[in-house]
Amino acid sequence: NAGVTQTPKFRILKIGQSMTLQCTQDMNHNYMYWYRQDPGMGLKLIYYSVGAGITDKGEVPNGYNVSRSTTEDFPLRLELAAPSQTSVYFCASSYGDRGGPYGYTFGSGTRLTVV
Amino acid sequence: GQQVMQIPQYQHVQEGEDFTTYCNSSTTLSNIQWYKQRPGGHPVFLIQLVKSGEVKKQKRLTFQFGEAKKNSSLHITATQTTDVGTYFCAGSLRDYKLSFGAGTTVTVRA
Repeated sequence: NAGVTQTPKFRILKIGQSMTLQCTQDMNHNYMYWYRQDPGMGLKLIYYSVGAGITDKGEVPNGYNVSRSTTEDFPLRLELAAPSQTSVYFCASSYGDRGGPYGYTFGSGTRLTVV
Repeated sequence: GQQVMQIPQYQHVQEGEDFTTYCNSSTTLSNIQWYKQRPGGHPVFLIQLVKSGEVKKQKRLTFQFGEAKKNSSLHITATQTTDVGTYFCAGSLRDYKLSFGAGTTVTVRA
């Protein structure tokens, strides 16, 4: 099992450009998440999904969009990139039930710089 | 909204010493999880605690969940250089996501 795979690992964007960060998992997890982590800071939730076709906003959704057409894939779209979106982006997945999510498996991250 | 507070923010430890990091929630949690992130890496799941008063051990790491299920601690004995990194606690409120603490960043003096 590959776990959670994120691509690309690094990217430099110019202000106003758009891009999609890819995330795929092969563990058949129902829950998936996108976080951003600024240098020396904690994790901030951008969007999450509890199953295919269902997405919801986290703490910092502005400037981002997601879709979940399959259980495996949860891409994050950045529209009109701004310097404030310079960060490391982590995708995570977990199994979840009425008790909440179980341990997250994180991808290795995408380091994004907007110049 | 729910907040999970974690202290201290930084922990500088002499190799071989013990230390503890603490996690507190404003509300009762259904479970609490701990993660470790090495410098330049991604968070890695360590453990989940579910029951009130639960204590679990992983080699030199001891995790505890408070009786009221509002606080937790991670105690590391005989710190080694391999313990360097940031330790996050994350609480669950029986909804679909975890609330992460800000993390305790551990450095070790050899």
